[in-house]
Amino acid sequence: AQKITQTQPGMFVQEKEAVTLDCTYDTSDPSYGLFWYKQPSSGEMIFLIYQGSYDQQNATEGRYSLNFQKARKSANLVISASQLGDSAMYFCAMREGPGTGKLIFGQGTTLQVKP
Amino acid sequence: DTGVSQNPRHKITKRGQNVTFRCDPISEHNRLYWYRQTLGQGPEFLTYFQNEAQLEKSRLLSDRFSAERPKGSFSTLEIQRTEQGDSAMYLCASSSGGGFQETQYFGPGTRLLVL
Repeated sequence: AQKITQTQPGMFVQEKEAVTLDCTYDTSDPSYGLFWYKQPSSGEMIFLIYQGSYDQQNATEGRYSLNFQKARKSANLVISASQLGDSAMYFCAMREGPGTGKLIFGQGTTLQVKP
Repeated sequence: DTGVSQNPRHKITKRGQNVTFRCDPISEHNRLYWYRQTLGQGPEFLTYFQNEAQLEKSRLLSDRFSAERPKGSFSTLEIQRTEQGDSAMYLCASSSGGGFQETQYFGPGTRLLVL
């Protein structure tokens, strides 16, 4: 079964507007961490934001915020005031349980920002 | 603080040949991870080290693959008798400490093409 599901293969957004990238996850472990990474065409994965399963507040990092709905098992990334440089592939990832370091990634969403 | 570096950035080889990739983590990061990413997919975990110890290996890591981190600093990933299915981007990441908030920082990757 898919642990991380990103249902939007591709998204378009107008420059300066906000966009939401969807991510749902599946785990029976009460302790887990959720991450978003950006991958430009150059290939390097860039860490954007982190949300812990016990965090009471939604995470924010500059123009990035995470809409964490624990009961629905969703962790959507919101990018405000989109810029042309935001055009990239975006991946949601999860680390579950205390005993592993590995991340499980979704299939990604390609975001294109239009001028 | 220099980031994670990987060499070579690109590798083209013929089927049946052996290849070796190198990853230099962020200095003082004690954990080092290897992932494989095929076109249009999210990265898949291969293995990770804490210092010199290889703590976890994916079933994706067949016996043709071997990874080392001999002095707890750089790591090498070797693929023996390469197959066309090995063509992918090989990503290395490093982190410090553990816990759910541990953030992995990725290198630029090595693109492998097996002809």
